[in-house]
Amino acid sequence: AQSVSQHNHHVILSEAASLELGCNYSYGGTVNLFWYVQYPGQHLQLLLKYFSGDPLVKGIKGFEAEFIKSKFSFNLRKPSVQWSDTAEYFCAVNAKAAGNKLTFGGGTRVLVKP
Amino acid sequence: SQTIHQWPATLVQPVGSPLSLECTVEGTSNPNLYWYRQAAGRGLQLLFYSVGIGQISSEVPQNLSASRPQDRQFILSSKKLLLSDSGFYLCAWRLAGGSGEQFFGPGTRLTVL
Repeated sequence: AQSVSQHNHHVILSEAASLELGCNYSYGGTVNLFWYVQYPGQHLQLLLKYFSGDPLVKGIKGFEAEFIKSKFSFNLRKPSVQWSDTAEYFCAVNAKAAGNKLTFGGGTRVLVKP
Repeated sequence: SQTIHQWPATLVQPVGSPLSLECTVEGTSNPNLYWYRQAAGRGLQLLFYSVGIGQISSEVPQNLSASRPQDRQFILSSKKLLLSDSGFYLCAWRLAGGSGEQFFGPGTRLTVL
């Protein structure tokens, strides 16, 4: 069965600092990868996704993620965070063999101090 | 455009009472539908998913059940709630045969007392 690990449960940083959130998955076959974000009081929404092609994926709000197949990783990055990036971030994996299902990591709560 | 609705937004129920949470999707046909429970620090746990009317797959044994009486309606139910059923329940949909991206509803906060 596929599993997804997010290494940090809580991250606190100041505005303009760089952010990197780790995500590792356990499935060895073909995968689609996602990062979702949940801002306080809002719906879970898609930040970015990787299906194939360039392993460096750019998403909304200045976020990017890099798929490293050899490391089974899909880390999320942002060079300079803003207070409005305070949210919970979830990594998710859809393994082709798993069909219709997404497996989510445990989430990382990010607090950006103004 | 597609939209997804959940209701109620919040619910407080006594232990042993029944439950019915509803999810509807607009603007698409034959979606795959999903129920998740979100617990702090534990991410989203998939409870049920459905690829069509009357077709329900259960992911974890529990006190809950799901039904899909119409193409774009997905219901989460329980005959007798337990304290451990408290949580935040999310409904999601995706295009059948799509690449895996799911779209989420606003959620229902359930408190069982």
